[in-house]
Amino acid sequence: QSALTQPASVSGSPGQSITISCTGTSSDIGDYGYVSWYQQHPGKVPKLLIYDVNSRPSGVSNRFSGSKSGNTASLTISGLQADDEAHYHCSSYTTSDTLVVFGGGTKLTVL
Amino acid sequence: EVQLVQSGAEVKKPGESLKISCKGSGDSFTSRYIGWVRQMPGKGLEWMGVIFPGASEAKYSPSFQGQVTISVDKSISTAYLQWNSLKASDTAMYYCARRGRSGPDLWGQGTLVTVSS
Repeated sequence: QSALTQPASVSGSPGQSITISCTGTSSDIGDYGYVSWYQQHPGKVPKLLIYDVNSRPSGVSNRFSGSKSGNTASLTISGLQADDEAHYHCSSYTTSDTLVVFGGGTKLTVL
Repeated sequence: EVQLVQSGAEVKKPGESLKISCKGSGDSFTSRYIGWVRQMPGKGLEWMGVIFPGASEAKYSPSFQGQVTISVDKSISTAYLQWNSLKASDTAMYYCARRGRSGPDLWGQGTLVTVSS
């Protein structure tokens, strides 16, 4: 299966909001409400931010929110902070035997 | 607290074999899929394959089919990722992860594999 498509990089200033997109197909994002988002700082284990499109695990800030429209899922970060500078990865359920597919990752720079 | 604990970093030569491990705690290990994720230096996450401990049959992403073997010993709640003949291009961080509906919902701490002559 093909990887989900994410922009390579996005940037924003402190206090602003940014949105990262994640585009798939009807075999993954489009027909299923099962998308996750992860934050990864350099040298660290990915941290689950969002699951099932728009649910947050306990302890994750409500500045992080998710949505989906058609074959594209989105992660919005509001009130950007310096510590939000990291890589962000999306994943989705897929109908292939391996059940999971990732996006290529997006580097967020806080200006 | 449920955890996935991976074996330590490895330094190997091209052509050598390797088996790394991922030990789970808690009773959820045998009731949830366990997958392996590759992250090459400076790159994104790649889902290599997945195994259901109760069934022990692994499924592989096309890029990894025939390149690695995923196995599990449910009696000791441990999953494995194995190579028969390592290449320099296998140098990467490898994570085991418990699969949730949308993707991994629990990660191991990672095992760094370095393959160099």
